Amino acid sequence: AQSVTQLGSHVSVSEGALVLLRCNYSSSVPPYLFWYVQYPNQGLQLLLKYTTGATLVKGINGFEAEFKKSETSFHLTKPSAHMSDAAEYFCAVSGGAGGTSYGKLTFGQGTILTVHP
Amino acid sequence: EAGVAQSPRYKIIEKRQSVAFWCNPISGHATLYWYQQILGQGPKLLIQFQNNGVVDDSQLPKDRFSAERLKGVDSTLKIQPAKLEDSAVYLCASSVTSVGRYEQYFGPGTRLTVT
Repeated sequence: AQSVTQLGSHVSVSEGALVLLRCNYSSSVPPYLFWYVQYPNQGLQLLLKYTTGATLVKGINGFEAEFKKSETSFHLTKPSAHMSDAAEYFCAVSGGAGGTSYGKLTFGQGTILTVHP
Repeated sequence: EAGVAQSPRYKIIEKRQSVAFWCNPISGHATLYWYQQILGQGPKLLIQFQNNGVVDDSQLPKDRFSAERLKGVDSTLKIQPAKLEDSAVYLCASSVTSVGRYEQYFGPGTRLTVT
């Protein structure tokens, strides 16, 4: 079984400030972890993913996330927020290759990011 | 490459009516997923196809929902009869199945309102 908890349904930052969106997961097998972004009336777009290897992963639009196994966390960060980053962000987990949960994404509740000028 | 296509984008129906959604995945993607996203929640997997076979439909309310993927390409999701609680965005996604390619690519979704 796997689950995702996103801490904070709404996060508000000023333009140019650090963005930190928190994600904790639960998985009975080594997880694959993902962050997706959703703009209004659009589908989900993949920001970045962790599967194996380097625990600090970089994605599109200047976002990055670090997999911390001991903390079961995969927090999303961006050093300097831009107005165009305003959207809803979803953390998701799936099991690794060969497992029964491989390819099956379980999503968190989402975090709405607001960026103030 | 062209993305995942879905239609219609919006649909309003009355409860107890039926509705169907269509999805065309990215060319060459063998795996297709249907998700339900209720307002304020993350997407929830309804059904997963591998080519034209069902891999997982454990979360699909089979008394009213059905889905098919004929010829392993396009897919349709049907609700009959609809209930108020079916109001949601229905997302289709597709992915390749080769090792090392884990990403799911999502379509724009169909927003269903049941009145």
